[in-house]
Amino acid sequence: NAGVTQTPKFRVLKTGQSMTLLCAQDMNHEYMYWYRQDPGMGLRLIHYSVGEGTTAKGEVPDGYNVSRLKKQNFLLGLESAAPSQTSVYFCASSYVAGVQETQYFGPGTRLLVL
Amino acid sequence: KNEVEQSPQNLTAQEGEFITINCSYSVGISALHWLQQHPGGGIVSLFMLSSGKKKHGRLIATINIQEKHSSLHITASHPRDSAVYICAVFQGGSEKLVFGKGTKLTVNP
Repeated sequence: NAGVTQTPKFRVLKTGQSMTLLCAQDMNHEYMYWYRQDPGMGLRLIHYSVGEGTTAKGEVPDGYNVSRLKKQNFLLGLESAAPSQTSVYFCASSYVAGVQETQYFGPGTRLLVL
Repeated sequence: KNEVEQSPQNLTAQEGEFITINCSYSVGISALHWLQQHPGGGIVSLFMLSSGKKKHGRLIATINIQEKHSSLHITASHPRDSAVYICAVFQGGSEKLVFGKGTKLTVNP
């Protein structure tokens, strides 16, 4: 099993450009999450999904959109990138058998917006 | 005030020392997570606990629900334990984790 994978690993964008980050998991997990990690701050939840076709907002959703068209994939989109979105983005997934389950993290995507 | 506070922020130890990292939270929780973030950035789950104590190898995690406090202990620390240790909590009934800022541990040989 590959676990949770993220594409790309690193990206540089100019302000106003758009991009999509892809998260894929092969563990048949129902729950998937997108977090951002910034220096001096804890991981913050952007959006999450409790199953195929469903998404919900987290703590810092502004400027991002997500889609979960297939159970194994969770996409994070930036429609018009801003320097404030420079961050490291982590995807995570968990199996649903109750809500308090171990989350498995991807390796992260480092995004720099100039 | 953050809902999850960790102390210390940074910790330097000599190989072999006993390490304690603390986590306090201000909300009612249903479970608490300890995670480890390697220097390369990868994040792995160490423990999830809702009461008492758990042990895995040289790592021990305890939680006191009444005092809203958890500790992560590392016995006989080793340079490979150098990492950022993150505490996170599930607020009661929520499927979302709230994270502390992490404790950076450096173990020198």
